[in-house]
Amino acid sequence: TQLLEQSPQFLSIQEGENLTVYCNSSSVFSSLQWYRQEPGEGPVLLVTVVTGGEVKKLKRLTFQFGDARKDSSLHITAAQPGDTGLYLCAGVPNTGKLIFGQGTTLQVKP
Amino acid sequence: DAGVTQSPTHLIKTRGQHVTLRCSPISGHKSVSWYQQVLGQGPQFIFQYYEKEERGRGNFPDRFSARQFPNYSSELNVNALLLGDSALYLCASSLVIVGRVRTEAFFGQGTRLTVV
Repeated sequence: TQLLEQSPQFLSIQEGENLTVYCNSSSVFSSLQWYRQEPGEGPVLLVTVVTGGEVKKLKRLTFQFGDARKDSSLHITAAQPGDTGLYLCAGVPNTGKLIFGQGTTLQVKP
Repeated sequence: DAGVTQSPTHLIKTRGQHVTLRCSPISGHKSVSWYQQVLGQGPQFIFQYYEKEERGRGNFPDRFSARQFPNYSSELNVNALLLGDSALYLCASSLVIVGRVRTEAFFGQGTRLTVV
């Protein structure tokens, strides 16, 4: 069974602080995706990483895929209250489904 | 362009009843997947359909079934509802089967099912 472990599960920080969310697995994925979900809404795709060691930047968000394609991280620089939400990583195996981690709930206080 | 639309948005059912949830994918997308998201957890895969055929099934009991229509819309059916079926049910639309390199899934806002 392929599992993705996200940490931390909850994070409450002040505006302007930096943070990192981790997504780890013992399995190899063909790619890994990060989503952000707000209450009452479906997840919205932020980025897809495909190549081991790949780094992608989206404004203040930096995503990294591990060399062995088993883990990933999301780093947010100078967090803003608008970053508040549930962050989900999802591994993409070759079996036609997304395998999600349990999510990281981020609260950024003004 | 319309995104993924799901109906209804909220639903309250009694234990033992049956429920049908509906999803319309993005125009041009031929694959629909269903996920269950229990409060505080990540979504769990239920089914994937592509070109009206089931292409994947998650670890859910036979009370859960689905189908995809010629216009690529889809229904998720759940029989003999249990309290534990209370969750947000998400539909995801994609051009082809998720798992193909760089295939992106776009999610609807979900149907919040409460079983009492």
